[in-house]
Amino acid sequence: AQSVTQPDIHITVSEGASLELRCNYSYGATPYLFWYVQSPGQGLQLLLKYFSGDTLVQGIKGFEAEFKRSQSSFNLRKPSVHWSDAAEYFCAVVTGTASKLTFGTGTRLQVTL
Amino acid sequence: KAGVTQTPRYLIKTRGQQVTLSCSPISGHRSVSWYQQTPGQGLQFLFEYFSETQRNKGNFPGRFSGRQFSNSRSEMNVSTLELGDSALYLCASSFKQGGDTQYFGPGTRLTVL
Repeated sequence: AQSVTQPDIHITVSEGASLELRCNYSYGATPYLFWYVQSPGQGLQLLLKYFSGDTLVQGIKGFEAEFKRSQSSFNLRKPSVHWSDAAEYFCAVVTGTASKLTFGTGTRLQVTL
Repeated sequence: KAGVTQTPRYLIKTRGQQVTLSCSPISGHRSVSWYQQTPGQGLQFLFEYFSETQRNKGNFPGRFSGRQFSNSRSEMNVSTLELGDSALYLCASSFKQGGDTQYFGPGTRLTVL
């Protein structure tokens, strides 16, 4: 069965610093990969997605992610974090013909001023 | 284009009662999926509906059920509520099944007393 691992439960960065959130997946073929962000009490907002093609994908709010097949990873990056980026970030995969998203456990980002 | 809407946003019920949650997908989207989010279990897939038919189901008891109408709106029902059913219930819609982007609603916060 497919699985998603986000090894960092909680990350704290200073405003203006760079950010990298890690995501590893387990699946035999290339999955469809997503990053979502959730603010407290809210739903999930799509940041970016990878289906195929260029392995570096750009998303909203200045985020980008790189798909590395050899490492089964899809890490999320941002060169300069803003205080408003504080939220919980989820990596997710979809495989095959089902719409079932399998999520990682999430990484809570705290931004210090 | 309006996003995914969910009603109600908050619900308080007591054990043994039943509850119905509603989801209106983005216009033109035909696939609706439901997820349960709890602090202990994270985000878990409940089921997916496409063209009024349940296409996939997660590992939840039969107390959890759903349906989809001809206009793609969906409802989920939980009967004989238990304390452990307290959660944020999220609905997501996509244009088609499988590897397509899912857009989430704000969720319904269910509290079971």
